[in-house]
Amino acid sequence: DSGVTQTPKHLITATGQRVTLRCSPRSGDLSVYWYQQSLDQGLQFLIQYYNGEERAKGNILERFSAQQFPDLHSELNLSSLELGDSALYFCASSRGDGNTIYFGEGSWLTVV
Amino acid sequence: QQPVQSPQAVILREGEDAVINCSSSKALYSVHWYRQKHGEAPVFLMILLKGGEQKGHEKISASFNEKKQQSSLYLTASQLSYSGTYFCGTEIEAYKYIFGTGTRLKVLA
Repeated sequence: DSGVTQTPKHLITATGQRVTLRCSPRSGDLSVYWYQQSLDQGLQFLIQYYNGEERAKGNILERFSAQQFPDLHSELNLSSLELGDSALYFCASSRGDGNTIYFGEGSWLTVV
Repeated sequence: QQPVQSPQAVILREGEDAVINCSSSKALYSVHWYRQKHGEAPVFLMILLKGGEQKGHEKISASFNEKKQQSSLYLTASQLSYSGTYFCGTEIEAYKYIFGTGTRLKVLA
């Protein structure tokens, strides 16, 4: 158990819908990262937050947005879902730069 | 832009050594290495922050050649538990990461 909690573990939704994935980082970790992993695209970095502020954006679509709240939990919002958004979404956290990054178990999203 | 890892796949016997390479076309701030077993989340192995830095983690170590924009992961005296897919994560801009193509490693008894 990494200490990073992601919910929900699995969800199935229809195209065009909107979902929210939630992540609770390890206690004391200020950085939260979001990643997408799919068979054809591999592991992709989406976005990083540090202590509530957005730090870097990767290959995150405009239909996707994220935020980190004052209690440091984070949410990834995926809207206007397409079949190609079906993937495993990981959240990870770390204390800060150069520290070990701990991954949650992921949220499986299936868009039908 | 995606870093290229080599080899794509490797099969070892227990006790054998392996080297996995990660080459980037862009200058790097840092390199991370991860191992992911099938159906599980990636596990962070180590980060290399400076060119030429070498770090170790049990029998797994890595080097970072900043000039060549390359990193190598060294697995010595491999164990069954080392099986999985290894990814390098390259920091191409401050805090922005791109992951390598992955190397599947299988250790046989």
